[in-house]
Amino acid sequence: ETGVTQSPTHLIKTRGQQVTLRCSSQSGHNTVSWYQQALGQGPQFIFQYYREEENGRGNFPPRFSGLQFPNYSSELNVNALELDDSALYLCASSLEWGKALSRQETQYFGPGTRLLVL
Amino acid sequence: AQKVTQAQTEISVVEKEDVTLDCVYETRDTTYYLFWYKQPPSGELVFLIRRNSFDEQNEISGRYSWNFQKSTSSFNFTITASQVVDSAVYFCALRGPGGGADGLTFGKGTHLIIQP
Repeated sequence: ETGVTQSPTHLIKTRGQQVTLRCSSQSGHNTVSWYQQALGQGPQFIFQYYREEENGRGNFPPRFSGLQFPNYSSELNVNALELDDSALYLCASSLEWGKALSRQETQYFGPGTRLLVL
Repeated sequence: AQKVTQAQTEISVVEKEDVTLDCVYETRDTTYYLFWYKQPPSGELVFLIRRNSFDEQNEISGRYSWNFQKSTSSFNFTITASQVVDSAVYFCALRGPGGGADGLTFGKGTHLIIQP
């Protein structure tokens, strides 16, 4: 177990709705990254939060947004849901990932939230 | 741009056979970091190993071994004496030197099936 938790585990929404996914990072970790994994594909980087600020973003539109709280937990918000947003959403926590990588730093993943958009 | 290619979509072997999962990467960075993760049916990505581009030693951990070849941009993963519990999807991933806060670039994964 990595100590990274996500909620909810499963979610069903309809097109056009909004959704919020939550992630609690491993104790002491100040960086949370979010990934989208479509069926049969590898995870794709959405964005990253380091000490409550977004400091990196992949190729995702602005309707994907997030927050990081003082306790380093995080939320992923997706507005105007589309059918293609159906995927497993993974969060990963790490320490100081947002800065130049230390020799040993690694991302530890949570169990994911499975989102189905109908 | 970074890219990770796992050409083997699915591999099926009988228990106790050795199996090698291939990973080829592309990057313009001179410093980079390579990872392998395992994803069982439950969905959680389990960290297996991290290799820094400036550490060219290969590594063995129990039944697992990794062969990092910088000259061919490959980072292959071998399971010796495979077991049914090794059945999962395995991902190779790459990350640049950081500072710009980039995430991991993953391959599409190799689905490994170990038959009893």
